[in-house]
Amino acid sequence: EAGVTQSPTHLIKTRGQQVTLRCSPISGHTSVYWYQQALGLGLQFLLWYDEGEERNRGNFPPRFSGRQFPNYSSELNVNALELEDSALYLCAVDRGNQETQYFGPGTRLLVL
Amino acid sequence: QKEVEQNSGPLSVPEGAIASLNCTYSDRGSQSFFWYRQYSGKSPELIMSIYSNGDKEDGRFTAQLNKASQYVSLLIRDSQPSDSATYLCAVRGSGNTGKLIFGQGTTLQVKP
Repeated sequence: EAGVTQSPTHLIKTRGQQVTLRCSPISGHTSVYWYQQALGLGLQFLLWYDEGEERNRGNFPPRFSGRQFPNYSSELNVNALELEDSALYLCAVDRGNQETQYFGPGTRLLVL
Repeated sequence: QKEVEQNSGPLSVPEGAIASLNCTYSDRGSQSFFWYRQYSGKSPELIMSIYSNGDKEDGRFTAQLNKASQYVSLLIRDSQPSDSATYLCAVRGSGNTGKLIFGQGTTLQVKP
């Protein structure tokens, strides 16, 4: 059991729109990691939140942003959607040791 | 040179055989290594973590780490058709970045 839920499961947007994806760790895991898995590109690190602060971000443009709430849930926002943003967006938690990461079920985003 | 490299496959083995999956990494300071299994359309599921040189066994799975050669492998004994999936090698690099760096994954096909 990963200990994390994500919503929505699937989403279809058009170019230029904005999207918000949600991640809810179970049992108060404080660290949340976001990854993008686009076709042919593999899993790419997006963002790391811990104790409400952004700790690190990957090589993505500023239109990818997010935040972590006091209950440790997190949102990933993507503005000005582009076709290449179509991907599986994965949230992971580390159960408190900042080591092994366990993935949620993901949100599949399709940009038309 | 990619940070984490895997042969994309597909690697095809008959049921009951040993499947051998390999991964190399470039950051000599890496300390933590992980194997995930990902079924088509699903999120990655952790199989093994390994931190020290040598072998680590868990059921039918054995992870092997050789830091001097910057090489990680996963052996699957008595392969079953249900093992057919993409296997992702992930490395936590040096420094407290939070991120895992993933290889492209190796697709394993176990034929009955």
